[in-house]
Amino acid sequence: KAGVTQTPRYLIKTRGQQVTLSCSPISGHRSVSWYQQTPGQGLQFLFEYFSETQRNKGNFPGRFSGRQFSNSRSEMNVSTLELGDSALYLCASSLAGIRAREQYFGPGTRLTVT
Amino acid sequence: DQQVKQNSPSLSVQEGRISILNCDYTNSMFDYFLWYKKYPAEGPTFLISISSIKDKNEDGRFTVFLNKSAKHLSLHIVPSQPGDSAVYFCAASDRREYGNKLVFGAGTILRVKS
Repeated sequence: KAGVTQTPRYLIKTRGQQVTLSCSPISGHRSVSWYQQTPGQGLQFLFEYFSETQRNKGNFPGRFSGRQFSNSRSEMNVSTLELGDSALYLCASSLAGIRAREQYFGPGTRLTVT
Repeated sequence: DQQVKQNSPSLSVQEGRISILNCDYTNSMFDYFLWYKKYPAEGPTFLISISSIKDKNEDGRFTVFLNKSAKHLSLHIVPSQPGDSAVYFCAASDRREYGNKLVFGAGTILRVKS
């Protein structure tokens, strides 16, 4: 079974621009979560989507948004990029049910804001 | 506030010996704990998990121990192999949170010397 895929893998943007990252979950997984990893803050939860609805949201500004499509694929968008948004953005998917909290991560998208 | 703490930034172990990675938490509402391993340029890989109703879970060379009264968990790897060299993250889930939000520790770098 194919793992979680994320595109693009690397991205360089300029301050003030906006960016969209894409995530395709493992087949059959309906939950998709997004995390930001930085050297200073570690891995931090951004938001989670299940059946096209946002179920939970972390402590990030409104510039960070996401959505999920009917095939469970998800996108996250960051508007008005700031230098501090440079990070590795990780997507994770999981099954519903008793093992829902076991999340399987993709390789991440490395975003650099200049 | 750091709810999940991995106080050892790094650990070095000889091949064949036991590796013990530690994690402390402060939130008494955490009811599910997970360990992830991360290689450079890859996303975290799920290793093993434990529910708060248990105190031990074993999967091959990996065993996780949970001490709820001390709010402490540990991951034992026996025997350690050079391929285990990676960053290990402890993560936890709060029973009050809707969905699959995970709170991560800062990680411990494990080096297994051959």
